[in-house]
Amino acid sequence: DVKVTQSSRYLVKRTGEKVFLECVQDMDHENMFWYRQDPGLGLRLIYFSYDVKMKEKGDIPEGYSVSREKKERFSLILESASTNQTSMYLCASSLRQGAASDTQYFGPGTRLTVL
Amino acid sequence: AQSVTQPDIHITVSEGASLELRCNYSYGATPYLFWYVQSPGQGLQLLLKYFSGDTLVQGIKGFEAEFKRSQSSFNLRKPSVHWSDAAEYFCAVGAWQAGTALIFGKGTTLSVSS
Repeated sequence: DVKVTQSSRYLVKRTGEKVFLECVQDMDHENMFWYRQDPGLGLRLIYFSYDVKMKEKGDIPEGYSVSREKKERFSLILESASTNQTSMYLCASSLRQGAASDTQYFGPGTRLTVL
Repeated sequence: AQSVTQPDIHITVSEGASLELRCNYSYGATPYLFWYVQSPGQGLQLLLKYFSGDTLVQGIKGFEAEFKRSQSSFNLRKPSVHWSDAAEYFCAVGAWQAGTALIFGKGTTLSVSS
C-alpha cells in the first residue's frame, strides 16, 4: 500500500514564525501536492511538484513556498505565518508525470493553528 | 474553465436507506472523475474513479458511481447506508494543465441517523 506521512497532525504557531510542514511518500511517486482544506471551500491546490527540484504554483500559492530536494519528500514552507493561514493542510502523491487519471494518495493532514 | 459542483452541502440519511450524492463537472474533454471520502480528522481515501470504458464504476465499501456524459454528472450511490459511512465526500476531476492537478468540489457532508 502507498503510504503518505505528514510530520505533524497538529501544530500551533505564532504570527510571523517560519513554519515547515513535511510530507514523505514511500512509493517512488513522481508527483507530490500540497492542498489546503477549509470548511465550505473544499480542497485548494497550493503547489505541486512533478520531479525533484521542480515545482508549479497551484491556485493559492501566495504566502507559501515549497522544497523538493529528494523524490520522496515535499516540504511546504510558510515564510511568515499569518492567522489567515490557519487551516488543514493535506499532502498527496501520484505515480506518473502528466497522468491525470492516476489516483492521488493523501496523507492524514496537518491541522495548523496560527495565533 | 474546469469546475466541479456538488449541489448538496449536507445530507442526512437513515441507516439502511439508499444514498445518492450528486456531482456535476465542467470539462472540455473526456474527464477523469474521482470520488474520495474523508472521515473526521483523516486524510482522503479514494472510493472509485472513472477514466474510460463502462460508465458504471464499482468502488470500495459498496459504493458505485455512474458517469453520464449528456448530463455532465458523476453521481455516487450506495443501496444501503451504514452508520460508518458518515463522512465528507468529495468529487474531483483530473485535469493536467498548468497549476491544476485535481479539481475538487466543495464536498458533501453525510450524516446517518439511526
